Amino acid sequence: DVKVTQSSRYLVKRTGEKVFLECVQDMDHENMFWYRQDPGLGLRLIYFSYDVKMKEKGDIPEGYSVSREKKERFSLILESASTNQTSMYLCASSAGQGLSSYNSPLHFGNGTRLTVT
Amino acid sequence: AQSVTQPDIHITVSEGASLELRCNYSYGATPYLFWYVQSPGQGLQLLLKYFSGDTLVQGIKGFEAEFKRSQSSFNLRKPSVHWSDAAEYFCAVVPYNTDKLIFGTGTRLQVFP
Repeated sequence: DVKVTQSSRYLVKRTGEKVFLECVQDMDHENMFWYRQDPGLGLRLIYFSYDVKMKEKGDIPEGYSVSREKKERFSLILESASTNQTSMYLCASSAGQGLSSYNSPLHFGNGTRLTVT
Repeated sequence: AQSVTQPDIHITVSEGASLELRCNYSYGATPYLFWYVQSPGQGLQLLLKYFSGDTLVQGIKGFEAEFKRSQSSFNLRKPSVHWSDAAEYFCAVVPYNTDKLIFGTGTRLQVFP
C-alpha cells in the first residue's frame, strides 16, 4: 500500500513564526500536492509538484512556499505564520505525469492540524 | 463561474437505508469526475472515478455513481448504508484540458443505528 506520511498530526505556532510541514511518500510517485481543508470550503490546492525541484502554484499560494529537493519529500513552508493560516493541511501524491496523472488516484496523508495563535 | 457543487452540507440516514449524495458541475466540456471519502481523523480515499464510457460507475465499499451529462451531475449512491459509512464525502473534478483537481465543499454523512 502507498503510504503518505505527514510528520506532525498537530502543530501550534505563534504568529510570525516560520513553519515547516513535511510530507514523505514511499511509492516513488512523481506528483505531490499540498491542500488546505477548511469547513464549508472543501479542499483548496496550495502548491503542487510534478518532479524534483519543480513546483507550480495552486489556487491559494499566497503566504506559502514549497520545497521538493528529493522525489519522496514535499515540504510546505509558511514564511511568517498568520492566524488565517490556521487549518488542516493535507499532503497527497500520485503516479503519472501531467494530464495523465489523474488516471492514478491521489493518496492522502492523515493531515496536519495547524493552529496559529 | 466554473465550479463543482455539493448542495447538501449534512445528511443523516438510518442504517440500512439507501443513500444518494448530489454533485453538480458547471464546466463547458465534461470533466473527469471523482468521489472521495474522508473518515474521521483520516486523509481522503478514492471511492470511484469517471473518465468516459459507461455512465454508471462502480466503486469500492459498495458505492456507485451515475454520470448524467444532461444534468451536469455525478451523484453517488449506495443501496444500503452501514454505520461505518459515516464520513465526509467529496466530489471532485478535473476540468477538460487541465490538470487541476478541484474539490467540492463536501457532504457530511451521519448514520443512525
